[in-house]
Amino acid sequence: EIVLTQSPGTLSLSPGERATLSCRSSQSVSSTRLVWYQQKPGQAPRLLIYGSSSRATGIPDRFSGSGSGTDFTLIISRLETEDFAVYYCLHYGGTPTHTFGQGTRLEI
Amino acid sequence: EVQLVESGGGLVQPGGSLRLSCGASGFTFSSSPMSWVRQTPGKGLEWVSAIGDNGGSTYYADSVKGRFVISRDNSKDTLYLLMNSLRVEDAAIYYCVRHLVTGDTKYFDYWGQGTLVTVSS
Repeated sequence: EIVLTQSPGTLSLSPGERATLSCRSSQSVSSTRLVWYQQKPGQAPRLLIYGSSSRATGIPDRFSGSGSGTDFTLIISRLETEDFAVYYCLHYGGTPTHTFGQGTRLEI
Repeated sequence: EVQLVESGGGLVQPGGSLRLSCGASGFTFSSSPMSWVRQTPGKGLEWVSAIGDNGGSTYYADSVKGRFVISRDNSKDTLYLLMNSLRVEDAAIYYCVRHLVTGDTKYFDYWGQGTLVTVSS
């Protein structure tokens, strides 16, 4: 069973700063199956990044994803106020079971 | 525009049953695998169940296997989740999600707004 561990649990930053969020897998996973979502209070998760590094339609280029194997990163280059939210990574499994990380809360 | 609209949530006693529905529009429903994902404050996001595009294949998380049944009616563009023998720990917001598969790149792209299930006596 794959376990995704996100760090930090909470990240406190200011608008204009750079945010680096980590998602570590307990086993090596295909980068084509690693996904990032953003969730704001009272809303469903929103697709940000798929295939570890491809931005979804309409996602600003300040969001970027990278990584391979067991270590994946979401970077927000210059935080804007609307970026303060909870971020989740997902491994789309092949068995199929699909595993989410526990989330990183990005707060001002 | 892709839309997924869940319904059927509510308050149910432990041991009871509930059927969730998800109406889909804006895409070819019969071509898309679908899943249910739930969210609780304590456990975060948890994948619950998936179904293939024609309904021939179904998959379940161990936590719900034997109690929940996923199904779909492609003539009605609707996804279902029948939840039996409900437990307090099944209380959550349940989201209907669409799978997108392009070669080996696979992910959940669209999510409904969710429906709240409360399990309490």
